[in-house]
This record gives sequence, C-alpha cells and structure tokens, in this order.
Amino acid sequence: AQTVTQSQPEMSVQEAETVTLSCTYDTSESDYYLFWYKQPPSRQMILVIRQEAYKQQNATENRFSVNFQKAAKSFSLKISDSQLGDAAMYFCAYSWGSQGNLIFGKGTKLSVKP
Amino acid sequence: DAMVIQNPRYQVTQFGKPVTLSCSQTLNHNVMYWYQQKSSQAPKLLFHYYDKDFNNEADTPDNFQSRRPNTSFCFLDIRSPGLGDAAMYLCATRGTAPNTDTQYFGPGTRLTVL
Repeated sequence: AQTVTQSQPEMSVQEAETVTLSCTYDTSESDYYLFWYKQPPSRQMILVIRQEAYKQQNATENRFSVNFQKAAKSFSLKISDSQLGDAAMYFCAYSWGSQGNLIFGKGTKLSVKP
Repeated sequence: DAMVIQNPRYQVTQFGKPVTLSCSQTLNHNVMYWYQQKSSQAPKLLFHYYDKDFNNEADTPDNFQSRRPNTSFCFLDIRSPGLGDAAMYLCATRGTAPNTDTQYFGPGTRLTVL
C-alpha cells in the first residue's frame, strides 16, 4: 500500500530565511504524482507545487521548489525568502492512476518568526 | 473566477439531527471528492464521484451518504450526526487539462454537533 510520511510535525523559520520540509513515500508504481498543499489556519487548502514522477526536473514555483529523488522516494519542499504568510500546515500528498485519490502525509506545521 | 464553493461555511446541528452540506464547482471537473478533516490531522477521504459513478471508501460509516445530481453540485448527507462527526468537511474536484491529476479544494464547512 502506498504511504506518505512527513517526519517533522512542526518546523520554524526566521522571516527571509530558507526552510526545507521533508517528505518520503512508498509505492511500487512507476508513474505517479506528488504534491505539496498549504493550509493556513482556518483557511482553504491550496496547491503549492506538483511534480510528475516521470519528469526528472525538479518543479519550481516562485519561492517554492522541490527536491525530487525518485530512487530514494523522497520529495522535499524548499521555501526560500520565507514570509509571514507562509505560516501554515503543509501536507505532502501522492496520487496515481485514473482514480487520482490523494494519499496525504500527516502534515508539517510551519511557523515563521518576524 | 472558476472555483469550488462550499455552503454553508459553518454548520451547527444537534446530535442525531440530519444535516446536508453542499459543494458546487464552476471548473466543470468530472471528479468530486468529500473529505473529513479533524483538528491538526490530514484530510480523510470519505467518497468520490467519477462523473455519476459513486466510489465509497471501505471505512466510511454508513451514516455518511452523498448525492451528485449534476456535474456542478455534490452533497454530503449525515443521517444521524454524532459528537465524533464534528469536523471540517472539505470538497475537492479534479478533472480538466492540463493538470488532470490535481485536486482543487473548497474552503470547507466546519460542522459542530451539539
């Protein structure tokens, strides 16, 4: 069965600094998708970044980038130049196949210190 | 703007009194999902519709039902809410190119059971 593990329940970063959130997953599939979602307190879950497993190039969206290591089944999120608005719960998620159901990690709560 | 809309945002019901939560979407996506999310936890998939085909998760209690009368709308019915059903309920959609693998979430309905 596919699983997603986020080993850091909480992280903290100083404003303007860089932080990396870890995610590992387990699957026997070769073609799948990985996501990072952000959920601010009492606010909507939004997509931060997505990665297609067949693409070796790491996805990047402005200050957000991933380090995708397929062989190691690792998918970490790097946030550069952290801003106060980045404070949120971050969920790593995996999906595969036509059903596209998401398997979520337990989340990492990120705090940003001014 | 195209989006996923959930109504109401906050719902209070009494123990055992049926309640219906609503989700609508303007994305014209063919897949719609219902998740239950309890405090500081990852979302838990209850069921989803692939077009008109209903897919129930094995561990979703019978107390939870869903209806999808058309592409745009999907409802979550809780027949006899218990105290343990108090949670945030998230609706998500998936479907159109280019990112047919990506789920887009609504803002959620927070259910309180008295």
